[in-house]
Amino acid sequence: AQRVTQPEKLLSVFKGAPVELKCNYSYSGSPELFWYVQYSRQRLQLLLRHISRESIKGFTADLNKGETSFHLKKPFAQEEDSAMYYCALGEITGRRALTFGSGTRLQVQP
Amino acid sequence: DGGITQSPKYLFRKEGQNVTLSCEQNLNHDAMYWYRQDPGQGLRLIYYSQIVNDFQKGDIAEGYSVSREKKESFPLTVTSAQKNPTAFYLCASSAQGSGANVLTFGAGSRLTVL
Repeated sequence: AQRVTQPEKLLSVFKGAPVELKCNYSYSGSPELFWYVQYSRQRLQLLLRHISRESIKGFTADLNKGETSFHLKKPFAQEEDSAMYYCALGEITGRRALTFGSGTRLQVQP
Repeated sequence: DGGITQSPKYLFRKEGQNVTLSCEQNLNHDAMYWYRQDPGQGLRLIYYSQIVNDFQKGDIAEGYSVSREKKESFPLTVTSAQKNPTAFYLCASSAQGSGANVLTFGAGSRLTVL
């Protein structure tokens, strides 16, 4: 069965520092990977997806099939990046529903 | 104003009672989903539906039931068989095709069992 692992429950950095939120997955097929974000008092929303290969709010993520990882990175953290981040895996075939990781809370301190 | 509406926002239930959480969308999305969100456990899939009159169990379907009689609506019933129902419940929807895994979420419903 597919699984998404986010090893850090909490990541605390200072403003301007680089950020890397880790995500590893296990899936035998060809996955589609996503990062979703939930800011305080807002709805969970899509941040980025690997097939788009774009940078959103300065965040990027590269799918590494050899290491089965999809880490989220930003070179310089901002206070407004503080939020809960969820990595999610979707199947190209088979179950048509996302599997989410347990989430990482990012705190960016001034 | 398109989106997903979940109601009620807060719900209290006595043990042994069934409760139904409402989820309505006006996005013309074919697929709808129910997730349960618990601290430290992320989102866990309860049920999902790709089309009207059809739905599938997710990873934690025991103690829950759903129906999909209309494209716009996907209500979730938390039955008395659910052993630990106190949680935050999220409904989501998505289009088919290339947008199938791009979910739009509701604001959630918090259920507390007294």
